[in-house]
Amino acid sequence: KAGVTQTPRYLIKTRGQQVTLSCSPISGHRSVSWYQQTPGQGLQFLFEYFSETQRNKGNFPGRFSGRQFSNSRSEMNVSTLELGDSALYLCASRPLANQETQYFGPGTRLLVL
Amino acid sequence: GENVEQHPSTLSVQEGDSAVIKCTYSDSASNYFPWYKQELGKRPQLIIDIRSNVGEKKDQRIAVTLNKTAKHFSLHITETQPEDSAVYFCAAGATGGSYIPTFGRGTSLIVHP
Repeated sequence: KAGVTQTPRYLIKTRGQQVTLSCSPISGHRSVSWYQQTPGQGLQFLFEYFSETQRNKGNFPGRFSGRQFSNSRSEMNVSTLELGDSALYLCASRPLANQETQYFGPGTRLLVL
Repeated sequence: GENVEQHPSTLSVQEGDSAVIKCTYSDSASNYFPWYKQELGKRPQLIIDIRSNVGEKKDQRIAVTLNKTAKHFSLHITETQPEDSAVYFCAAGATGGSYIPTFGRGTSLIVHP
């Protein structure tokens, strides 16, 4: 099976812009979680989607949002970008909600100037 | 919420030595403890995990131990090799549908040939 894929892999934006990142889970996986990884804060949970519904949300401002489509592909959107949003954004998929093993994608590295 | 502390932040060893990374967690409801390896520029990959009903788990040169009473768990790597050089993350979370892992800050392991 193909692994988790994310597009784009690299992105440069300026403050105030918005960005949309995409994640395609492993075929058959229905849960997709998003994480922000920075040197200062480590890996932090953003939100999780399962069957097109947001199940959980981390402690991030409302500028961070996401959605999941019927084919389990997920997108996350960050509006009004700030310099502090520069990070590696990782998504992870797992087969079902009650199976904990997560498989990470390669990430999208976002740089906000 | 859960809080995971990971030590040390950097670990330098000679090839062939053993390496030990320790994590403590705060939430007694956590019952699933995965460890991830992230090589430079690559995605985090699950290397071993342990559940709270088990005290120790081994997979070739890698082992994980769990002390539920003290709320800490450790990763042990024996006979380290240069390709073991990477950042290692521990995580803790409660299973049962709504799984939101909390990650440690990571340990940069350097294995000198």
